[in-house]
Amino acid sequence: AQKVTQAQTEISVVEKEDVTLDCVYETRDTTYYLFWYKQPPSGELVFLIRRNSFDEQNEISGRYSWNFQKSTSSFNFTITASQVVDSAVYFCALSEVGTTDSWGKLQFGAGTQVVVTP
Amino acid sequence: DGGITQSPKYLFRKEGQNVTLSCEQNLNHDAMYWYRQDPGQGLRLIYYSQIVNDFQKGDIAEGYSVSREKKESFPLTVTSAQKNPTAFYLCASSIYWGDQPQHFGDGTRLSIL
Repeated sequence: AQKVTQAQTEISVVEKEDVTLDCVYETRDTTYYLFWYKQPPSGELVFLIRRNSFDEQNEISGRYSWNFQKSTSSFNFTITASQVVDSAVYFCALSEVGTTDSWGKLQFGAGTQVVVTP
Repeated sequence: DGGITQSPKYLFRKEGQNVTLSCEQNLNHDAMYWYRQDPGQGLRLIYYSQIVNDFQKGDIAEGYSVSREKKESFPLTVTSAQKNPTAFYLCASSIYWGDQPQHFGDGTRLSIL
């Protein structure tokens, strides 16, 4: 069963528009981590943020912000005033800590392609 | 600079041939991972190694093999048993097993001739 769902396949915006990427996760663990990674056209995954399940404080870092809501099992990501360099695939991922089998493993969503045009 | 180096960037395989993808890290990390990425899909774990001389199967290990004889190296062999090898392969590492985030290389794209 898919544990991380990114329903948006592709989002296209014009530069300076805001972009919000949705991520819904599923887990029975009470302790887990959520991540966002960026994959630019060059291919490597770039770590953006990690959140643990006990920390629902939303965060802003420059033009990036994250909204974590345990009540709806969502961990959404917003890019404010998008730029062409933001064009990439963005992945949401889950790491469950509660069981030995899942410990240390990242489970990825399918990714959302963001296209920012000038 | 410390990081993960994957080579080659592009690789072509003939039918019935085994090919090996290289992954080297100079981060002094204990744990290393191999992922497969298909178009429109997230990454799936092939194999992982918690420490040198140890490795475990991930979610899609069939048709692949690995070794971990040195801390800095974790090569992945795509065997002829892997019937659909065309994909983008990413190697990652972390300070220790379970530590996050994982650090990624820039991938190898494997295609069938």
